Amino acid sequence: DVKVTQSSRYLVKRTGEKVFLECVQDMDHENMFWYRQDPGLGLRLIYFSYDVKMKEKGDIPEGYSVSREKKERFSLILESASTNQTSMYLCASSSIGAVNTEAFFGQGTRLTVV
Amino acid sequence: KQEVTQIPAALSVPEGENLVLNCSFTDSAIYNLQWFRQDPGKGLTSLLLIQSSQREQTSGRLNASLDKSSGRSTLYIAASQPGDSATYLCAVSIYNQGGKLIFGQGTELSVKP
Repeated sequence: DVKVTQSSRYLVKRTGEKVFLECVQDMDHENMFWYRQDPGLGLRLIYFSYDVKMKEKGDIPEGYSVSREKKERFSLILESASTNQTSMYLCASSSIGAVNTEAFFGQGTRLTVV
Repeated sequence: KQEVTQIPAALSVPEGENLVLNCSFTDSAIYNLQWFRQDPGKGLTSLLLIQSSQREQTSGRLNASLDKSSGRSTLYIAASQPGDSATYLCAVSIYNQGGKLIFGQGTELSVKP
């Protein structure tokens, strides 16, 4: 069974804290993604990565950074958490092929910044 | 810029009914279209992937069609059950942008016993 695992289901952090969200996939996928999901706004892409140490900004990268030191792991970093970063965060992975590549998602991390 | 729209936003049906969820996209230059299911507070589960050259895909009671030229996809659910209650999302993979997905807002489905 393919698997994308996010390190936490729920997190509560204080404003100004540095927050790390971890994602691991066991499918040897090249592509990894971080989305956030908010009511009324849907899923929006924060960052993605095509390969180890490679990263590309998505639609809403401000206030976030990422790290991909190993192929199976993609970390999302909130440099200084703010209340407007309270959201559901979803990690996904897919293979490098284009037409038949299927994306798989983790179970999500519900982050609350107080 | 690619935009994906899902209609209706919410749907409530009695158990046993056949139903259709709609997804439209503005740019036909896609690699594929994927349908997902999301239960409340959970991640996304992949249901069906339709490649850009395909017209439809089937999995059990689910059938998804794709008309790339008109920018439309439908997800058909046969003989709906209460366990089908969830939010259904469609997403398109953008041509030449390495697997990035653009999502619709989703259709929230409620199947009443």
